[in-house]
Amino acid sequence: GENVEQHPSTLSVQEGDSAVIKCTYSDSASNYFPWYKQELGKGPQLIIDIRSNVGEKKDQRIAVTLNKTAKHFSLHITETQPEDSAVYFCAASKGDMRFGAGTRLTVKP
Amino acid sequence: IAGITQAPTSQILAAGRRMTLRCTQDMRHNAMYWYRQDLGLGLRLIHYSNTAGTTGKGEVPDGYSVSRANTDDFPLTLASAVPSQTSVYFCASSARSTRSYNEQFFGPGTRLTVL
Repeated sequence: GENVEQHPSTLSVQEGDSAVIKCTYSDSASNYFPWYKQELGKGPQLIIDIRSNVGEKKDQRIAVTLNKTAKHFSLHITETQPEDSAVYFCAASKGDMRFGAGTRLTVKP
Repeated sequence: IAGITQAPTSQILAAGRRMTLRCTQDMRHNAMYWYRQDLGLGLRLIHYSNTAGTTGKGEVPDGYSVSRANTDDFPLTLASAVPSQTSVYFCASSARSTRSYNEQFFGPGTRLTVL
C-alpha cells in the first residue's frame, strides 16, 4: 500500500521567515495530495490540496509543489506568523488516503 | 451547522470493557471515516464507509467494529478495550467517495485512555 514520509518532524522559524515541509510517497497511482493543519485540541483542517495533473498551487501565503517523477511534494509557507504554529500533515490518496506522521511548526514572534 | 460532532470528548476506560465512540455529521456526506492519531504515526485509518449500509476495513481495523445504519451516524465500537488502543480518535466525512480528490472534514476528536 501507499507509504507517506514527512520531514522534518519539528520545525522552528522566526516570524516573517519561510517554512518548508516535505513529503514523499511510494504509490505512483496516487493522484491527490492534501495538506492539513491541526491546531491544539482540534481536528485537522484542510489548508491546500493539489491534484496530480498540476505542478504547483498557491493560496496567499501558502503554496504546494508536486514532483510526480520523484514522488515528492512540499508545502511552502511564506511570511510566517505566530498563528501558523500548528501540526501540519501531508497525505496522498488514490481513494484510500494515507497521512504523513506530521510536522510541528513553531513560529517565534 | 455543527459539521461533525464526536462524543465523548474524552474517556478513561478499564481494559476489557466495551466502548462505543459516537460520530454524527449534518452535511449529508456519503463517506465517513474513523482514524486514530498516535504521536509519531500521524493519522491511521481504522474503518470507513462509502455510503449508508456499507463499511470497509482500513489500515488498522483489528479490535474495532463500525456500523452505518444511516447517512449521519458512524459509531466506532471497541468490543474489549486494550491499553494499545489508547489514542485520540477522529471521525471524518467527505461528500463523495468515488473520486479520490475529495476533502475530508474532521471532528474534534475523542481522547481515549485504556488502563
